[in-house]
Amino acid sequence: AQKITQTQPGMFVQEKEAVTLDCTYDTSDPSYGLFWYKQPSSGEMIFLIYQGSYDQQNATEGRYSLNFQKARKSANLVISASQLGDSAMYFCAMRGFQGAQKLVFGQGTRLTINP
Amino acid sequence: DAGVTQSPTHLIKTRGQQVTLRCSPKSGHDTVSWYQQALGQGPQFIFQYYEEEERQRGNFPDRFSGHQFPNYSSELNVNALLLGDSALYLCASSPGPIVSYEQYFGPGTRLTVT
Repeated sequence: AQKITQTQPGMFVQEKEAVTLDCTYDTSDPSYGLFWYKQPSSGEMIFLIYQGSYDQQNATEGRYSLNFQKARKSANLVISASQLGDSAMYFCAMRGFQGAQKLVFGQGTRLTINP
Repeated sequence: DAGVTQSPTHLIKTRGQQVTLRCSPKSGHDTVSWYQQALGQGPQFIFQYYEEEERQRGNFPDRFSGHQFPNYSSELNVNALLLGDSALYLCASSPGPIVSYEQYFGPGTRLTVT
């Protein structure tokens, strides 16, 4: 079974500051993928970044980077230079490469950017 | 290029009724997955359709069923609605059932059961 844990129900950050959203995971699959999605109040899940378990380097996509520490089973999302539009729910998710191909999500973190 | 679309946007039903939700995948995608997101929770996998067949299923009762059409669009049907079925229902599409980081979500259908 796979499990994602996000321990920060809410985060408040000043605009232009960097923010780290925590995510730990548990799986018995030897290979897997880790995802971060943003969900604004409109409800749509917006894909942000992906990290494969065998990728040697941490993934980056613009202002988003994924701090992947395999030994600690953590996949934290770092947003640099936060903007007001970054205020939303953020979900960490994973998918194993064997068996079920479904995404397993965490409970989410509500990020609020203050001006 | 249209992304994933879902209809309707909102829906209000009464306990015991039946509901059908619809999803059109992103162009070039042939696999559709459905998720249920209760208020304040992360999405939960319901099932996945590929080649017009249910390929995988999450821990949901048989009241939840689906269909995929030859044009890859999909429907989610829920029978005998319960108050606990109130949720945001998300559809996601991907280019094939094999693992891919390309899984794009639609805007969702918000179902309220009274």
